[in-house]
Amino acid sequence: GQNIDQPTEMTATEGAIVQINCTYQTSGFNGLFWYQQHAGEAPTFLSYNVLDGLEEKGRFSSFLSRSKGYSYLLLKELQMKDSASYLCAVRVPSGYSTLTFGKGTMLLVSP
Amino acid sequence: DSGVTQTPKHLITATGQRVTLRCSPRSGDLSVYWYQQSLDQGLQFLIQYYNGEERAKGNILERFSAQQFPDLHSELNLSSLELGDSALYFCASSARDSISGANVLTFGAGSRLTVL
Repeated sequence: GQNIDQPTEMTATEGAIVQINCTYQTSGFNGLFWYQQHAGEAPTFLSYNVLDGLEEKGRFSSFLSRSKGYSYLLLKELQMKDSASYLCAVRVPSGYSTLTFGKGTMLLVSP
Repeated sequence: DSGVTQTPKHLITATGQRVTLRCSPRSGDLSVYWYQQSLDQGLQFLIQYYNGEERAKGNILERFSAQQFPDLHSELNLSSLELGDSALYFCASSARDSISGANVLTFGAGSRLTVL
């Protein structure tokens, strides 16, 4: 089976840095994805990690440790518009590109 | 606009009824994925089609079925509806991301189903 864990909620202040953690136990691994989802809207792709290390993309960075089954999404210089749910998802080798999603972390950014 | 089109946006129906949700993938994408999102379960994979053929099956109930047509649009049929089927149903198609090189799912805006 697949198990992906993320904190349910986090709060942070505008301009700050926040780290959203994700741990996974899956039958195989073929990449980890982060998606952003605003309330009532579609998830949108943020980042992808398949090798250990940090991938940076503007204000957003994502880290992966395959040996620990662990990833985090780092958001810098938080803005109010970053208030959203952040979904961690894993692709397994037999998945034909299907993704297994965690339940998401709701991030609330306050002024 | 993601390029993945879903209709209807909202649907309200009664228990026991049957509904059909429709999806058109982005131009050039051959795959269609269906996901269900409810408040307590998060995004759950239902089924995937590739160029008209079923490729992978997830937690799809027997009351649910899907197909992909020659023009690549897909329909998800939900029958004998129950209160617990109320959810957002997303369709996605996949394509290679030019920056990361990954096959990335792009989601449509979703169909919100309410069963009363």
